[in-house]
Amino acid sequence: GAGVSQTPSNKVTEKGKYVELRCDPISGHTALYWYRQSLGQGPEFLIYFQGTGAADDSGLPNDRFFAVRPEGSVSTLKIQRTERGDSAVYLCASSLTGVGGYTFGSGTRLTVV
Amino acid sequence: GDSVTQMEGPVTLSEEAFLTINCTYTATGYPSLFWYVQYPGEGLQLLLKATKADDKGSNKGFEATYRKETTSFHLEKGSVQVSDSAVYFCALSDRGGNNRKLIWGLGTSLAVNP
Repeated sequence: GAGVSQTPSNKVTEKGKYVELRCDPISGHTALYWYRQSLGQGPEFLIYFQGTGAADDSGLPNDRFFAVRPEGSVSTLKIQRTERGDSAVYLCASSLTGVGGYTFGSGTRLTVV
Repeated sequence: GDSVTQMEGPVTLSEEAFLTINCTYTATGYPSLFWYVQYPGEGLQLLLKATKADDKGSNKGFEATYRKETTSFHLEKGSVQVSDSAVYFCALSDRGGNNRKLIWGLGTSLAVNP
């Protein structure tokens, strides 16, 4: 597609529920990143995919967070047993290997109540 | 570990004023440096970048020079416009490449009044 698409744009869920956030990167971009951004903060790195594999998942805060990219394109960030502290804007970005910087999506605003 | 420190906001300027937003970094090795901008209601956009010492990134009238001796990458614009009102983020890429995680400053909010 023309840009990085993230769905849904907003998600409100109850504490303890499971959520999935989707990212559709720019066609042909092999690298895909997930970040989250809390109010008044810079983005915090979560995980980076090169193709289908997670090249660096050191930013995932705990084992409730998991992400997949089974065909090397669309990625899903999965959060189990959500907690109020998970509330943030979850950002996805993609890049073409070795060229330029990232292109970010508009983010998914997750609110856990 | 690597880190980025940028000046706190908010910064409020009148149109046509000169803008400087300070950014300093701590890193091992030779990182690439970036400025991203987030306009109200929009996603993060790459504004400019520099990949090695003494490089100058520029875009839309904004400039920043990679200063290794002072570990800085200050953002400047000679004459700001109302449309420049946004949050500006300084970031570095560890290992000096594009396909690596970015480490971010906290962001500086800029408001330009007519």
